[in-house]
Amino acid sequence: AQSVTQLDSQVPVFEEAPVELRCNYSSSVSVYLFWYVQYPNQGLQLLLKYLSGSTLVESINGFEAEFNKSQTSFHLRKPSVHISDTAEYFCAVEAGANNLFFGTGTRLTVIP
Amino acid sequence: EADIYQTPRYLVIGTGKKITLECSQTMGHDKMYWYQQDPGMELHLIHYSYGVNSTEKGDLSSESTVSRIRTEHFPLTLESARPSHTSQYLCASSRGGYTEAFFGQGTRLTVV
Repeated sequence: AQSVTQLDSQVPVFEEAPVELRCNYSSSVSVYLFWYVQYPNQGLQLLLKYLSGSTLVESINGFEAEFNKSQTSFHLRKPSVHISDTAEYFCAVEAGANNLFFGTGTRLTVIP
Repeated sequence: EADIYQTPRYLVIGTGKKITLECSQTMGHDKMYWYQQDPGMELHLIHYSYGVNSTEKGDLSSESTVSRIRTEHFPLTLESARPSHTSQYLCASSRGGYTEAFFGQGTRLTVV
């Protein structure tokens, strides 16, 4: 069975500071990993994904995540956050049955 | 921008009423999902479909039912709503095969 753990439910950070949102997974088969973002009163949007190839993946708005197979992690990072990055971030894993399993989410709050 | 729509966005309904949450996508995706999302909790998969006439129950037991008569339409029905059904319901679709899922904006259901 697959599971996803997001260790931090809330992460407050000052504007222009770096941030890391942690995600660990467990799976007995090969996985495909995703980060989704949910802005207030909206659905989830794909932020970035790892399917194969380079273990470091980037989004168009400055986020990046690195797939670490040995540590079963897929942490999300951004070197300098903006107020508009305030949102809920969900890590997800897809394996085997082709269904997405989500973590509990991390609420990122950027403080001016 | 994703072409997947959910209606209504918000619904307050009395106990015992029958309700149908609508979900439509115009992307021709075969796979569709319903997730239940509670604050601070992970998204729980309650139903999914591989295509027309295919429906499967997800990981979280739900008293709701779904149908997939047309590719683009995947409604969710509660025959008799209860306060325990109060939650946000998110519909999603994908091409399948480890590709990203596109989410609707969600329906926030309150049963009083």
